[in-house]
Amino acid sequence: GAVVSQHPSWVICKSGTSVKIECRSLDFQATTMFWYRQFPKQSLMLMATSNEGSKATYEQGVEKDKFLINHASLTLSTLTVTSAHPEDSSFYICSANSGSEGHIETDTQYFGPGTRLTVL
Amino acid sequence: GQNIDQPTEMTATEGAIVQINCTYQTSGFNGLFWYQQHAGEAPTFLSYNVLDGLEEKGRFSSFLSRSKGYSYLLLKELQMKDSASYLCAVGRSNDYKLSFGAGTTVTVRA
Repeated sequence: GAVVSQHPSWVICKSGTSVKIECRSLDFQATTMFWYRQFPKQSLMLMATSNEGSKATYEQGVEKDKFLINHASLTLSTLTVTSAHPEDSSFYICSANSGSEGHIETDTQYFGPGTRLTVL
Repeated sequence: GQNIDQPTEMTATEGAIVQINCTYQTSGFNGLFWYQQHAGEAPTFLSYNVLDGLEEKGRFSSFLSRSKGYSYLLLKELQMKDSASYLCAVGRSNDYKLSFGAGTTVTVRA
């Protein structure tokens, strides 16, 4: 259990275009989903927290108008990088927290496989 | 704020034991997590400690001392596939957010 998927696994786009990344919890309902960004040889940096049916909460320094998050259901959250630029090239990873599902540990975040974004 | 420290790199021989230390100073605490991350992949969950003491899971064990703000991950009978980055993360109270350390890159040599 506790499988989280992400799509696409990698994407290359031109500067100025928008890219949508999907994050799905496959075998549990995720009360909360998180979006991280990771640059090479650095640790994960939390970008925003996404709760189903409510607005995302962004970490300090993260532009909410540039990184649009929609948490449409308990199993799906999307991150849209709008007007992407080369400095947005990074590894984007989502994670999902189960809350109190019986078959997996509470308070634990399970990560998706990540999406590598390259902006030319 | 959050301050999480762990060594940058460690090298060990196949079959040996390695201990990765993590110290933290955080404004809230809701458990200490260890994740394994292979290059180019997302982190995978290894262990979770919320109470003091040692948690053992096969070849991996994790220890927590809340009063000292200290944890370690112990990897026994090292295998080549254990070469990866190991991330220490502290859960913040009530909101399920995690603060990550920079990660320790473990290289296992034959």
